[in-house]
Amino acid sequence: KAGVTQTPRYLIKTRGQQVTLSCSPISGHRSVSWYQQTPGQGLQFLFEYFSETQRNKGNFPGRFSGRQFSNSRSEMNVSTLELGDSALYLCASMRGPLNTGELFFGEGSRLTVL
Amino acid sequence: GQQLNQSPQSMFIQEGEDVSMNCTSSSIFNTWLWYKQDPGEGPVLLIALYKAGELTSNGRLTAQFGITRKDSFLNISASIPSDVGIYFCAGQTFNQGGKLIFGQGTELSVKP
Repeated sequence: KAGVTQTPRYLIKTRGQQVTLSCSPISGHRSVSWYQQTPGQGLQFLFEYFSETQRNKGNFPGRFSGRQFSNSRSEMNVSTLELGDSALYLCASMRGPLNTGELFFGEGSRLTVL
Repeated sequence: GQQLNQSPQSMFIQEGEDVSMNCTSSSIFNTWLWYKQDPGEGPVLLIALYKAGELTSNGRLTAQFGITRKDSFLNISASIPSDVGIYFCAGQTFNQGGKLIFGQGTELSVKP
C-alpha cells in the first residue's frame, strides 16, 4: 500500500513569491491534514480537509490556504512568502471520519525562502 | 492555546539501557499518541492511547495515558541503535479529527 506522497520534496523561493505544495493521501483515506515543522516552533497544525471541506484550522495567517479534491488529494498554498515561512511542510492522512488521531505522514516538502 | 511540555529534550544513552520520556499538559486530552521521526522522514505513529489509565505496549515500547488525562509517558526497554531519532508526544481533544497538539520532542541518541 503506497504511503502519503508529497511533492515537491525540496524547493527554494524568494520573499513575496507564492508556492503550492501537493499531497496524495493513502488510498482510501479521506482526511488530509497539513503541519508546519520548524526548529523553533516544532510541529504546528495548519488545517485539515475531509471530503473536500475544511474541517479544522490552526492559527496561521490567511496567506496559508488549502483545498482538497474529490479524489482526496490536497494542495496547500502560501502566498506572499516571508523568510519565516521556511519550514518542512508535512501532510498527513487519516481514514476518517473517526477521530482517532492516527495520522500517517508523508516525508514532507522542505521550503526555503530567501 | 494548548501546549504540551515534553521532557527531556534530549537523551544520550548506552545501548541496552531503558529510556523514559513524558509529556504533561495544562489541558485534558481525549487521545494521546506517540510518534517517532527519523532524519528526512515524516513522523511515524508508535502508540495510540484512548482511555485514561490505559497502558499499551508495542514491542519494546510501553506507553500510558495518565489518569488525569493531562499526561502520558513512553518507555523504551533495552534500547538499540535504531531507536535513535526524535520522539514526539501528541494530544487530541474530542472531535478534532486530524488536529493534534505536539510536544517539542525528545531527541534520543544511543551509543553502541
